[in-house]
Amino acid sequence: QIQLVESGGGVVQPGGSLRLSCTASGFPFSSYGMHWVRQAPGKGLEWVAIISYDGSKEYYADSVKGRFTVSRDSSKSTLYLQMSSLRTNDTALYYCARDIVSSRRIEGPEWGFDDWGPGTLVSVSS
Amino acid sequence: DIQLTQSPSFLSASVGDRVTITCRASQGISSYLAWYQQESGKAPKLLIYAASTLQSGVPSRFSGGGSGTEFTLTISSLQPEDFATYYCQQLYSYPRTFGQGTKLEIK
Repeated sequence: QIQLVESGGGVVQPGGSLRLSCTASGFPFSSYGMHWVRQAPGKGLEWVAIISYDGSKEYYADSVKGRFTVSRDSSKSTLYLQMSSLRTNDTALYYCARDIVSSRRIEGPEWGFDDWGPGTLVSVSS
Repeated sequence: DIQLTQSPSFLSASVGDRVTITCRASQGISSYLAWYQQESGKAPKLLIYAASTLQSGVPSRFSGGGSGTEFTLTISSLQPEDFATYYCQQLYSYPRTFGQGTKLEIK
């Protein structure tokens, strides 16, 4: 059974940093690209970042580019999101999600995200 | 960035009704469109990918259609568990944008 579990959320002051983790199980983690998606309270979904299955390539939303870094450790089946220079509008529930296709080059189009974690809440407030 | 506009944003319907949600893209995205269902307090769930392919385990009362810039999600006969928020997402280019959502409520 595929399982994704996020952790690391919490309350942080504006300008602060936080590292989120997403621990995966039930599938070959090193074969799948992984995404971060966030949802501000009461709002819609916003795609944040993707990292390729082999960790060689990443893409980011403009709203987080230069502040957030996505990485992965396949030996631990864990995805990370390092967040720095946090702003109040980064407050959201952060989900990790799996690419529907394995071993895909992420430069091109894709088909969807087929498994999601329950999310971890990040609150940026003074 | 590619903008996705869903209509309607709110939909009130009864069990057994047939409903259709539309998603329009600001430029052509071929068939690189997915639909998700999000129940209150839960993570999104993939329903449809490649515009019209039903994800494994999703009931056949859900169907998707369209290509290019106009897409639809149809639920043929609403069940109580279908009352949720639905999002379309384009996967043609970065950033992978979502529509604003359609909240489906019980009439």
